[in-house]
Amino acid sequence: GIQVEQSPPDLILQEGANSTLRCNFSDSVNNLQWFHQNPWGQLINLFYIPSGTKQNGRLSATTVATERYSLLYISSSQTTDSGVYFCAVGADYGGATNKLIFGTGTLLAVQP
Amino acid sequence: DGGITQSPKYLFRKEGQNVTLSCEQNLNHDAMYWYRQDPGQGLRLIYYSQIVNDFQKGDIAEGYSVSREKKESFPLTVTSAQKNPTAFYLCASSIGAWREASNQPQHFGDGTRLSIL
Repeated sequence: GIQVEQSPPDLILQEGANSTLRCNFSDSVNNLQWFHQNPWGQLINLFYIPSGTKQNGRLSATTVATERYSLLYISSSQTTDSGVYFCAVGADYGGATNKLIFGTGTLLAVQP
Repeated sequence: DGGITQSPKYLFRKEGQNVTLSCEQNLNHDAMYWYRQDPGQGLRLIYYSQIVNDFQKGDIAEGYSVSREKKESFPLTVTSAQKNPTAFYLCASSIGAWREASNQPQHFGDGTRLSIL
């Protein structure tokens, strides 16, 4: 099956700093999502981005499908950005199955 | 507001007891999913359903059962056969069924934390 690797596993930032999180995947995908899991466990959709570039405020993401990686950029980080960031991918298994495969996440701590 | 509602937020199970976790969505989505998250890990798929009265096993279905009698509801039962049920359970849904759903984002509820007494 598809393997998903995220880096770095942990990241500590000072408020106001920028960061880049990376997601590598081992096969072609037709679904890629970035999530933020807050300290209460809520999984927040950040981006649906199987290819291309998107921006939403201080966050942006780029997926280069041909090279099998995606990047999540966080600019001017805030303490509320703390939590775990997950990359999840899905593929078309001929319609017989449909699932997201999650990486192990990047734990981000933003210090004031 | 449209969304996915999971209940209860916290659930305790005694040894040998079955418990059922509720998941309701009013997004008119065809596909629904159950995932399990263990501490420090990503989510793993338990079961999914593409349409009413249909469901398929995911990667870790042993010890779980589901039903899909209504489009908006996809309850998960954790049976006594599940030997390590303590985890965070998340329900998700997406537009479309079958191959269409694999091209659509999944949206998640707020989860249920299950613990063993």
